[in-house]
Amino acid sequence: ELKVEQNPLFLSMQEGKNYTIYCNYSTTSDRLYWYRQDPGKSLESLFVLLSNGAVKQEGRLMASLDTKARLSTLHITAAVHDLSATYFCAGNSGGSNYKLTFGKGTLLTVNP
Amino acid sequence: KAGVTQTPRYLIKTRGQQVTLSCSPISGHRSVSWYQQTPGQGLQFLFEYFSETQRNKGNFPGRFSGRQFSNSRSEMNVSTLELGDSALYLCASSLSGTSGYQWTQYFGPGTRLLVL
Repeated sequence: ELKVEQNPLFLSMQEGKNYTIYCNYSTTSDRLYWYRQDPGKSLESLFVLLSNGAVKQEGRLMASLDTKARLSTLHITAAVHDLSATYFCAGNSGGSNYKLTFGKGTLLTVNP
Repeated sequence: KAGVTQTPRYLIKTRGQQVTLSCSPISGHRSVSWYQQTPGQGLQFLFEYFSETQRNKGNFPGRFSGRQFSNSRSEMNVSTLELGDSALYLCASSLSGTSGYQWTQYFGPGTRLLVL
């Protein structure tokens, strides 16, 4: 059974700084997703990583996937307050494209 | 294009009652999945429907059930509600095509259920 672990679970950053969120998973996952959730809101899809070495970037966020290490990272560059949210990574489990297993999420707070 | 919609958005029920939640997927999306989100357990997969058939199921008791209609709209039902069923229930839809990007799930705003 797929297990997904994120760390850190809580991250307080200053604006302008860089940081990385790590997502480890226990067994083979065909793809890795990153989602963002604002308080009281639903999940917004950020990235889908399909293969080893995949790298995706959108604005100040960059996600990568290393399937051999079973590790995905979400790198934040020059953080701004608007990035404050909870970030989840998820993999597909049980050979299904649609059964996602989520990490516990990383609550990111960006302070001025 | 309209996103995933869920109704109702908020619901208060008492123990022992049953509840039905509704989800309308993005137009053209044929797969609908349901997740439960709680502070303690996080996001957990309930089930997934495609072409009116349950294709995947999570580890939830039989009190949790669902169905999908021919227009891809889906409902989930929870019978004999327990306090622990209080949660945000999220519905997600995807194209269910042949390319990996078409498997991305897009989430609705959720239904917040409080069981008293």
